[in-house]
Amino acid sequence: EIVMTQSPATLSVSPGERVTLSCRASQSLNNNLAWYQQKPGQAPRLLIHGALTRATGIPARFSGSGSGSDFTLTISSLQSEDFAVYYCQQYNGWPRTFGRGTKVEIK
Amino acid sequence: QVHLQESGPGLVKPSETLSLTCTVSGFSINSGYYWGWIRQPPGKGLEWIGCIHHSGSTYYNPSLQSRLTISVDTSNNQFSLKLTSMTAADTAIYYCARDLTGLWGQGMLVTVSS
Repeated sequence: EIVMTQSPATLSVSPGERVTLSCRASQSLNNNLAWYQQKPGQAPRLLIHGALTRATGIPARFSGSGSGSDFTLTISSLQSEDFAVYYCQQYNGWPRTFGRGTKVEIK
Repeated sequence: QVHLQESGPGLVKPSETLSLTCTVSGFSINSGYYWGWIRQPPGKGLEWIGCIHHSGSTYYNPSLQSRLTISVDTSNNQFSLKLTSMTAADTAIYYCARDLTGLWGQGMLVTVSS
């Protein structure tokens, strides 16, 4: 089983700041990595797939980068609606696995 | 527009079996993809449960495999989850989803309590 480690667990940020979230896999993923955003009471929303590609309708301020086993989600200028929990998920193998999430909260 | 909807009991007694169904509309399960289940205990993170292809091929989370069965009913465009020997630790929001596409149901809370 591929273990996904996200850091930090919580990030306190002011609106307008640049945010960088990290996700590390226990083995190489061939870029088979997705990022999800989840707000309270909602199902997760796909932001990024293939480590780099924004999903349909996702604003350009969200970007994914990385390769191998180290990946990053960057929010270039945090908006009020971006305060949420962010999860990475690998789909390079079975079982699919998620990281424990990073909560982005208001500073 | 593709839509997934979970259905089943919201309350299950300890030691009983949970049965959930996901009904897919706007897309035929026979057209491809794996179809799966994810759960989220209250206030905690996401746990991938397992998935199934219309051919019947399945993949399960090893931590749940001994209690888990996922099946597909292509005639009704549905897939289902059965989880036996439920305990309080299985209390969670259960989501159905189409694998790899970001398409999820709204989720339903299942509580295990006597």
